[in-house]
Amino acid sequence: GAVVSQHPSRVICKSGTSVKIECRSLDFQATTMFWYRQFPKQSLMLMATSNEGSKATYEQGVEKDKFLINHASLTLSTLTVTSAHPEDSSFYICSARVLLRAGKHYEQYFGPGTRLTVT
Amino acid sequence: DQQVKQNSPSLSVQEGRISILNCDYTNSMFDYFLWYKKYPAEGPTFLISISSIKDKNEDGRFTVFLNKSAKHLSLHIVPSQPGDSAVYFCAASGRSSGDKLTFGTGTRLAVRP
Repeated sequence: GAVVSQHPSRVICKSGTSVKIECRSLDFQATTMFWYRQFPKQSLMLMATSNEGSKATYEQGVEKDKFLINHASLTLSTLTVTSAHPEDSSFYICSARVLLRAGKHYEQYFGPGTRLTVT
Repeated sequence: DQQVKQNSPSLSVQEGRISILNCDYTNSMFDYFLWYKKYPAEGPTFLISISSIKDKNEDGRFTVFLNKSAKHLSLHIVPSQPGDSAVYFCAASGRSSGDKLTFGTGTRLAVRP
């Protein structure tokens, strides 16, 4: 099956610094990737849709200047949390969209997630 | 506005018995539904899906039922195994939303040996 990796798996940074999280599709190409965040005991909330070669589409309420997304190739999307603050501490998960063989619906394969802690 | 709801935050089932996880949705534009299993500090793993043109889909021990008129779906796991213990999320998508997934709040399943 499709494998998606994320790096790093855990990161601790100081308030005011920037952190980059990578999401890679290992054995397939993904023109579309998604970035989610999950707070403890809550659902996954979609932050943005990352499209290869074009600008990301952000969900309402997500600051595009704070969460920079770059999808420079068909196998890599990056999320940079700029000027991080403690409230940005969360579990960030990416997914890659894959068209099913039937060609009627897409599925999403998720990475293992990145735990960000801002001190 | 929670468009996909899982009203039971937790469920405990005896090994070998059936686990039934429920999910309700409000957006009638959703036409594809998925169930994911998630362990702590890991990404969700796809389990099973169903299109709105069907009312049942089965894959091994997992069966998903869809009741469009009630905007309700359920995941049946039988027989339940201790390894099934995890958080289960239902998710919905629709062509009109660009196939973006909207997740429910999750149900934590504990299967007792």
